[in-house]
Amino acid sequence: QKEVEQDPGPLSVPEGAIVSLNCTYSNSAFQYFMWYRQYSRKGPELLMYTYSSGNKEDGRFTAQVDKSSKYISLFIRDSQPSDSATYLCATQGGSEKLVFGKGTKLTVNP
Amino acid sequence: DAGVTQSPTHLIKTRGQHVTLRCSPISGHKSVSWYQQVLGQGPQFIFQYYEKEERGRGNFPDRFSARQFPNYSSELNVNALLLGDSALYLCASTRDRGLYGYTFGSGTRLTVV
Repeated sequence: QKEVEQDPGPLSVPEGAIVSLNCTYSNSAFQYFMWYRQYSRKGPELLMYTYSSGNKEDGRFTAQVDKSSKYISLFIRDSQPSDSATYLCATQGGSEKLVFGKGTKLTVNP
Repeated sequence: DAGVTQSPTHLIKTRGQHVTLRCSPISGHKSVSWYQQVLGQGPQFIFQYYEKEERGRGNFPDRFSARQFPNYSSELNVNALLLGDSALYLCASTRDRGLYGYTFGSGTRLTVV
């Protein structure tokens, strides 16, 4: 079983839709949870960072962590064509390394 | 403020050759990590260096090595290149030991032919 599972999609939505992206993880030692956005031919860019369970909101983006079910979610409200990218979930436990999911490719159509 | 810079941006090497990739972290960042991202996959952890010492190593063969210099820049070396080493190599930096998210560079795209 992979440490972090993420449906690679692709996911295609119309502009203005609410997008839901999800990951599951297996290691209960993971405490830090991140979402990165990666545009084509670029490095990942940190979008959201949460510690332990709960919600965190930043503009149109909301990150949720449910440690009881080992489930990580990212919601994008009022999606825009500029949100088209690959979204990577990542977790981190006691060590310094990040463990990434495969990434979900999102296309927002005008 | 300059972000994480990596060089070169692209290169093509032949099987069996050696390659050196370079990374300059954000000013003030003391920790540098290297990740390999194969097409269609998430980044995989290779190394982390903090204060010039290796702090973590991923599941990669000994052909992969790295070091960090006194100015906190870093090199990743890969010997005896294989076709499977073709990937985007990402460098990331953080101020401390990386418990608050990393800033990634744009990567070096390595193609082994």
